[in-house]
Amino acid sequence: EAGVAQSPRYKIIEKRQSVAFWCNPISGHATLYWYQQILGQGPKLLIQFQNNGVVDDSQLPKDRFSAERLKGVDSTLKIQPAKLEDSAVYLCASSLERANTGELFFGEGSRLTVL
Amino acid sequence: AQSVTQLGSHVSVSEGALVLLRCNYSSSVPPYLFWYVQYPNQGLQLLLKYTTGATLVKGINGFEAEFKKSETSFHLTKPSAHMSDAAEYFCAVSDNNNDMRFGAGTRLTVKP
Repeated sequence: EAGVAQSPRYKIIEKRQSVAFWCNPISGHATLYWYQQILGQGPKLLIQFQNNGVVDDSQLPKDRFSAERLKGVDSTLKIQPAKLEDSAVYLCASSLERANTGELFFGEGSRLTVL
Repeated sequence: AQSVTQLGSHVSVSEGALVLLRCNYSSSVPPYLFWYVQYPNQGLQLLLKYTTGATLVKGINGFEAEFKKSETSFHLTKPSAHMSDAAEYFCAVSDNNNDMRFGAGTRLTVKP
């Protein structure tokens, strides 16, 4: 079974530039998450999708971050314009059901460096 | 909202020694509790989980954790550390709304 795929693995940009990250979850997983993991900290939930609808985006900085999951499968997370404090690893995860008694499956992450 | 506190950002043990990583949670509803491990440059991988039933949960690689409601704790243990256990460990709590919150993590170092 293929895991959660993310790209790019690494990205370096200058502040005020834009960047986009892509995620393809495990086939059949209805729920998709984007987490931000700053160095030395635990992952912080940015946004949660159930199929193509947003379940929770309360911690997403909506003035600069946006995410979509148009067909209920893969997803894109965009940052525009980027700030220095956005330097982090962006983790995508998926799970089979919304009622989370199960397991989140994580991708390897996209490491963003903002100069 | 639920939250997790991991006591000790770094833990160092000798190979063969007991591993104890501490986790305390806060939740207004019966929690679902998880331990994830992250190896360098990799995503998080589930070690074990508690949902309902037996409070002592066994996971992969010889790890286990015990849910203690009275202490709001879910500490992770392994009787004998191996070099390959060196990684970052994250405790997480979730509720019925699938809202999973992670602790800050504990980096485990294993000395030969």
